[in-house]
Amino acid sequence: KNQVEQSPQSLIILEGKNCTLQCNYTVSPFSNLRWYKQDTGRGPVSLTIMTFSENTKSNGRYTATLDADTKQSSLHITASQLSDSASYICVVSRMDSSYKLIFGSGTRLLVRP
Amino acid sequence: SAVISQKPSRDICQRGTSLTIQCQVDSQVTMMFWYRQQPGQSLTLIATANQGSEATYESGFVIDKFPISRPNLTFSTLTVSNMSPEDSSIYLCSVEDGTGGASGYTFGSGTRLTVV
Repeated sequence: KNQVEQSPQSLIILEGKNCTLQCNYTVSPFSNLRWYKQDTGRGPVSLTIMTFSENTKSNGRYTATLDADTKQSSLHITASQLSDSASYICVVSRMDSSYKLIFGSGTRLLVRP
Repeated sequence: SAVISQKPSRDICQRGTSLTIQCQVDSQVTMMFWYRQQPGQSLTLIATANQGSEATYESGFVIDKFPISRPNLTFSTLTVSNMSPEDSSIYLCSVEDGTGGASGYTFGSGTRLTVV
């Protein structure tokens, strides 16, 4: 069964600290993996996109890693800011139906001053 | 990346009525997608809208409840018909960007619907 599981479900950190969010997937055949940030009441915004041949990709303070062998990905946020408070969603697509994205349930991050 | 204008951003509707949500894209795109996000849940694909043909609905969604129009390559509408409180959700449209090495998907800002 094609699934994407994220952990933790929610996370609270202090401003300036780092954090790492996890994503495990069982999607096959794998095409690519995306991380999105979704602010409350808004649509998701793309942070990174990785294919199976890419191990890491950065976007400012966001760094995503991908291990296609273990089917795991992580999103590392460095020097968190209050504006990082949002849901972070891991999304995987299959090679044979690339537009049917498989969404994780997201990690809700709260950054406190 | 594509820019999507989605309207309305939110609405409160009476049960039994219908609401039409619009998405306008600043470039021509082949496929547009409509999603529902129920409170505290992740996104669920409702249907795929292609210009010049009927929309393709996912399991659990039917055309009578969620009619979709796609009159051209930059515009689509989703109607939520005969609404009930269970339809209270965020509805989002999305397009495939086709930029970069792997296609990205851009989402509209969403329509927060509350049915009372």
